[in-house]
Amino acid sequence: QKEVEQDPGPLSVPEGAIVSLNCTYSNSAFQYFMWYRQYSRKGPELLMYTYSSGNKEDGRFTAQVDKSSKYISLFIRDSQPSDSATYLCAMTTSGTYKYIFGTGTRLKVLA
Amino acid sequence: GAVVSQHPSWVICKSGTSVKIECRSLDFQATTMFWYRQFPKQSLMLMATSNEGSKATYEQGVEKDKFLINHASLTLSTLTVTSAHPEDSSFYICSARDGQGLETQYFGPGTRLLVL
Repeated sequence: QKEVEQDPGPLSVPEGAIVSLNCTYSNSAFQYFMWYRQYSRKGPELLMYTYSSGNKEDGRFTAQVDKSSKYISLFIRDSQPSDSATYLCAMTTSGTYKYIFGTGTRLKVLA
Repeated sequence: GAVVSQHPSWVICKSGTSVKIECRSLDFQATTMFWYRQFPKQSLMLMATSNEGSKATYEQGVEKDKFLINHASLTLSTLTVTSAHPEDSSFYICSARDGQGLETQYFGPGTRLLVL
C-alpha cells in the first residue's frame, strides 16, 4: 500500500462546477499538507498549505484536513477552464521536510 | 515572492555526454534544495536532498556518481547528469525550502532532458 493514495482521474467537469479532489494517507505522523497545481510541462505551483487538521480557504480554493480519517480534500468553487491541470497532494512530518506526493489527479474543466 | 528558476528549460544531448542543470532561488535563501524526477503522467520522484555546504542525501536507488549535486550557496544548487544515456531522459524539477521555518517547498519550472 502506498503512503499516499490519490485517484489519477481524469476528472471532467463543466465550467462553474464545484470540484472535489481527495487524498488518503496511512502515516499518522504527517502534520503538514499541501496542494500543488501542475500544468503540462511545468513545475508544480503551491496552492494551499495546511498544518494539522482543519479548513483553510483562499479565494475559490478550500483545503480540508481530517487527521482522524487520514483524509485531505481540495475544493475548487466556480471552476474555470484555466483550472484544467494536474493537482498533486503532498504531505510531510514535522522536521523532515521530505515530501510524500500523491500520484496527482488530472482535472479537465469543460467550457 | 518565493520564485525558483531553472536553467536550461530543455536540453538535448548525445549519449555519453554530461549535462548540468542549475536551480536558483531568486528572492529568498534556500537552506535546503530538492531534486525530483518526473516521468510522463507520473508523480514526482525525489532523487536527493541537498543542504548548503554539505553533501547531498540521495534516495535509495539513485546513483550518486551519476547524478552529482552541488549546493554551493544559499541560492544555487546544480545537478549534473554524468555520462547520460537515453534512459536518463526525463523531466527534472528542483525545489527550494525557505529558511523561515515553514514546511513549504517552492518548485522551479523544470528541465526537460532528452538524451539521443
